[in-house]
Amino acid sequence: AQSVTQLDSHVSVSEGTPVLLRCNYSSSYSPSLFWYVQHPNKGLQLLLKYTSAATLVKGINGFEAEFKKSETSFHLTKPSAHMSDAAEYFCVVSSTGGFKTIFGAGTRLFVKA
Amino acid sequence: DGGITQSPKYLFRKEGQNVTLSCEQNLNHDAMYWYRQDPGQGLRLIYYSQIVNDFQKGDIAEGYSVSREKKESFPLTVTSAQKNPTAFYLCASSTPGQGTYQPQHFGDGTRLSIL
Repeated sequence: AQSVTQLDSHVSVSEGTPVLLRCNYSSSYSPSLFWYVQHPNKGLQLLLKYTSAATLVKGINGFEAEFKKSETSFHLTKPSAHMSDAAEYFCVVSSTGGFKTIFGAGTRLFVKA
Repeated sequence: DGGITQSPKYLFRKEGQNVTLSCEQNLNHDAMYWYRQDPGQGLRLIYYSQIVNDFQKGDIAEGYSVSREKKESFPLTVTSAQKNPTAFYLCASSTPGQGTYQPQHFGDGTRLSIL
């Protein structure tokens, strides 16, 4: 069985400070893991993906995530937040064991000036 | 530019009415999906299709129907049997690749409300 838990429903940071969005997953098979971003009234845009290559994955807009198998985590980070980063972020798990993709409930990121 | 087009952007449904949401892609992807998004919740899968003329129910298929007559198109009908249709509907597509490694590409959604 697969599941994904985003540990914070809301995160608030000041512009220029680091961002940390936390995600834990559970999967019976070797998982693929993704982070997507959604701006209001828009579809989801892929930020980055992990597919069993390097454990530190770099994505677009300065975001990166580290796959930690021992902790079953895939946290999203960015060194310095920008106002345009304010959006909702989804952690997603998918596996080759079945045609199934599970979306986390989302974390809304607020960026203060 | 390749992408997914959903129309209309906003849709209103009257009591007892069926409405159809359009989803067209020019990415040459085999697989297409419909999701429902409610405030504060993640995406829930309604239907998916891995190939033309074939589709499977997702987690919340009741009250919805789909067709997949062309590779590019995957329309979703919200029937009168769906008693709580107010939501944001997202269409996505992907290439099957190795298992489910491939990320999904999303349209910009249709917001459906009840009149």
